[in-house]
Amino acid sequence: NAGVTQTPKFRILKIGQSMTLQCTQDMNHNYMYWYRQDPGMGLKLIYYSVGAGITDKGEVPNGYNVSRSTTEDFPLRLELAAPSQTSVYFCASSPGTAGEQYFGPGTRLTVT
Amino acid sequence: RKEVEQDPGPFNVPEGATVAFNCTYSNSASQSFFWYRQDCRKEPKLLMSVYSSGNEDGRFTAQLNRASQYISLLIRDSKLSDSATYLCVGGDSNYQLIWGAGTKLIIKP
Repeated sequence: NAGVTQTPKFRILKIGQSMTLQCTQDMNHNYMYWYRQDPGMGLKLIYYSVGAGITDKGEVPNGYNVSRSTTEDFPLRLELAAPSQTSVYFCASSPGTAGEQYFGPGTRLTVT
Repeated sequence: RKEVEQDPGPFNVPEGATVAFNCTYSNSASQSFFWYRQDCRKEPKLLMSVYSSGNEDGRFTAQLNRASQYISLLIRDSKLSDSATYLCVGGDSNYQLIWGAGTKLIIKP
C-alpha cells in the first residue's frame, strides 16, 4: 500500500496565483484532514472530511477550499495565493479515531 | 483558546541516557492524548497513545496526569535514532486534534 500520497512535493507560487494540492489515500479511511505547519508552530487544521461528500472547516480555513467526491481523494485548493500561505501542507487520513492519523509526505509551498 | 504547550528544546542527551519531557494542555475537556514523532523535513508519525493508567511500549513510557493537566514521555536507553521532534497532541472530539509545537531531541554519541 502506498498509504497517503501528496503532490506536488514542492511549489513556488506568485502572489495571486491559484493551485490545487492533491491528496490520495488507499487505506479506505473515511476521515481525511489538511494541515499546515509553520516553523516552530504546531500543526493547524485547515479542513477535514468525515466521508465522501462531507467537509468542514478547521481552525484556519480562510483562503482555502476542499472537496471530497471520493473516499480516496481530498484535494486542497488555494485561491489568490498570499505570502502568509507559505508553509508546509500535510494531508492525513484516519480510520476513525482522530488520534491515529496517517500523514502524507507533505507539500512545501512558497508564495512570493 | 485550547492549547497544548511544549518546551521546544532542544534537549541534548548522550546516547544511552534517559530523557523525559512534558507537555501541558489547557482544555480540561480533552479526552485523548497522543505522542507523535517527526523527523526533520518529514511527516509526523504516531508514536503512542497516552492512557490515564499510563502505558509502555518498549523503551517508551507515556503518562497522563489529568489533575495537573500534563502528559509526559519517558525514553530509556536512548538511541541515536531517537533524535527527532516529539509532538504532543490532545483531542476533545473525534475529528479534531490540538497539536503542540514539538520538543526537539538530539541524541549525541
